[in-house]
Amino acid sequence: DGGITQSPKYLFRKEGQNVTLSCEQNLNHDAMYWYRQDPGQGLRLIYYSQIVNDFQKGDIAEGYSVSREKKESFPLTVTSAQKNPTAFYLCASSDGSTDTGELFFGEGSRLTVL
Amino acid sequence: GQNIDQPTEMTATEGAIVQINCTYQTSGFNGLFWYQQHAGEAPTFLSYNVLDGLEEKGRFSSFLSRSKGYSYLLLKELQMKDSASYLCAVLDSNYQLIWGAGTKLIIKP
Repeated sequence: DGGITQSPKYLFRKEGQNVTLSCEQNLNHDAMYWYRQDPGQGLRLIYYSQIVNDFQKGDIAEGYSVSREKKESFPLTVTSAQKNPTAFYLCASSDGSTDTGELFFGEGSRLTVL
Repeated sequence: GQNIDQPTEMTATEGAIVQINCTYQTSGFNGLFWYQQHAGEAPTFLSYNVLDGLEEKGRFSSFLSRSKGYSYLLLKELQMKDSASYLCAVLDSNYQLIWGAGTKLIIKP
């Protein structure tokens, strides 16, 4: 079955540590996205990538980094520079050839900083 | 600035009908989406409107008025499994999605 897989589902981190969240898709989608979801707020875009080896900052990129070495993979690193990293992180992909821009989401990764 | 407004929470009864409203002010408009998100899970696509009018898809319908910057999601014959958050999102002139905070829908027996 085609889809997006995020791992880990739950992650705990001590302050000062970097962590990397995995996102893999087998939908053959060109575009991939990372969002952050906090209670009472809309999804906020961290980074997005429309093709391999290229990515752009979203609205809240500070303290995060990404790579897009393969079409299928778009890992997100939450660095120690991110001041408030505890959140629910969602990875998504879309087929850039459609006008509707429908997003397909992974199951999410919940990061808690202790 | 860009803004999407939705009610924070709504309650409805199983078998009834509920309408979830969404108003938006964005720089341009290239379509409006509704997604459903169960607690702790991924959002899933429900509907996309780019022209004025009503789009019906089974028990769910979505309406759009571009002149009023307004949309609603109509859920009929409510079931307990419809308890979820419903997210409204607008595709702006740069084809970037602007998200509302979501409406938590609680279904009571």
